[in-house]
Amino acid sequence: DAEITQSPRHKITETGRQVTLACHQTWNHNNMFWYRQDLGHGLRLIHYSYGVQDTNKGEVSDGYSVSRSNTEDLPLTLESAASSQTSVYFCASSEAGRPMNTEAFFGQGTRLTVV
Amino acid sequence: RKEVEQDPGPFNVPEGATVAFNCTYSNSASQSFFWYRQDCRKEPKLLMSVYSSGNEDGRFTAQLNRASQYISLLIRDSKLSDSATYLCVVTSPTSGTYKYIFGTGTRLKVLA
Repeated sequence: DAEITQSPRHKITETGRQVTLACHQTWNHNNMFWYRQDLGHGLRLIHYSYGVQDTNKGEVSDGYSVSRSNTEDLPLTLESAASSQTSVYFCASSEAGRPMNTEAFFGQGTRLTVV
Repeated sequence: RKEVEQDPGPFNVPEGATVAFNCTYSNSASQSFFWYRQDCRKEPKLLMSVYSSGNEDGRFTAQLNRASQYISLLIRDSKLSDSATYLCVVTSPTSGTYKYIFGTGTRLKVLA
């Protein structure tokens, strides 16, 4: 069965370290998204990609970067982790093209703590 | 102003009750609308799409009012297992394609 997986599921890191969260999907979806979820804010879009070599900034992109070298993967990098980046991170993917009733599928999330 | 707004709740209702959630969106160019369900510490999962004509799936009914830019979800005969956070989601066009914009979610707790 096709799926979308995130790793690691939990991570604790120190302030200032570079951290990369992995997202891998086997749906062959062109669209991939990274969100963070915090109490009171819901899911906020960090970065998104509509295909290989395409990346776009979302509403909370500062301090994060992504790269899309193949269809299956969209790793999220925190260049220099800050305590404000402690959060739950979700990756999602969806089919390209017309959005009508196109479901986004989510990974199980990565809980990141920056100490 | 947030692009998608929901009442965060919580809504505490007894089993068997009917409960309704509303959601408003600000971008008139939004194209598709969904309700997602999220259980505590889990990933969001699609509950149902929302069609202009309104649609029903068992105990759940979703409606869309494009003129007033709001979406609703009605849950009839609430079950304990309905306790979760319900996320309103719209797709916003961008760069020839689209992105998903989420509301902050409405928490529902169904009480025995």
